Amino acid sequence: GAGVSQSPRYKVAKRGQDVALRCDPISGHVSLFWYQQALGQGPEFLTYFQNEAQLDKSGLPSDRFFAERPEGSVSTLKIQRTQQEDSAVYLCASSLGGIRWATNEKLFFGSGTQLSVL
Amino acid sequence: TQLLEQSPQFLSIQEGENLTVYCNSSSVFSSLQWYRQEPGEGPVLLVTVVTGGEVKKLKRLTFQFGDARKDSSLHITAAQPGDTGLYLCAGLEKVGAGSYQLTFGKGTKLSVIP
Repeated sequence: GAGVSQSPRYKVAKRGQDVALRCDPISGHVSLFWYQQALGQGPEFLTYFQNEAQLDKSGLPSDRFFAERPEGSVSTLKIQRTQQEDSAVYLCASSLGGIRWATNEKLFFGSGTQLSVL
Repeated sequence: TQLLEQSPQFLSIQEGENLTVYCNSSSVFSSLQWYRQEPGEGPVLLVTVVTGGEVKKLKRLTFQFGDARKDSSLHITAAQPGDTGLYLCAGLEKVGAGSYQLTFGKGTKLSVIP
């Protein structure tokens, strides 16, 4: 497909388990973002990649969260030792532009991975 | 990170009514975007406003950016059940060298009753 693809669609984890969430951005898109969306809330920024470089990880809530984009395309968000407060929808978005964000830059979002930690 | 406040948080109206939702911040954004999100899906961009005082129309939706670029509104005329969803505003800000953040409000959940 031509859109942003995320997998798995749903993930149920036991507390303490490690999880890995995958994002396939639109081909050729330079920028990739991860957001966390709690139930009934707006998305909250986690981290930003420009190609393979992670330029901003200020939104990652703890050192249990780790993201990578080694070849500048597919990205993985890993959460170690999951806790109940990690339960949320994790959204990935990509955009064509990079460092020089154009004022009409458009983010394309995937459908998200809904993570439930029991 | 700058904060965006949206109001109302919830809105339930009858089909055919008009409505306005608001997005306010104490700080200035480079640009502001409005998104619509349906359950189980990611947000979809509706419009980007850049210039203070700018007004953009998208069919029955009218978007306005405040003169000081700190606030914005979305007006829907003759709402239809298909307009139901979560409406999110998001402000773009540059954070440090080489990085931009799109900061979202908490959204307005709109229900249009047939």
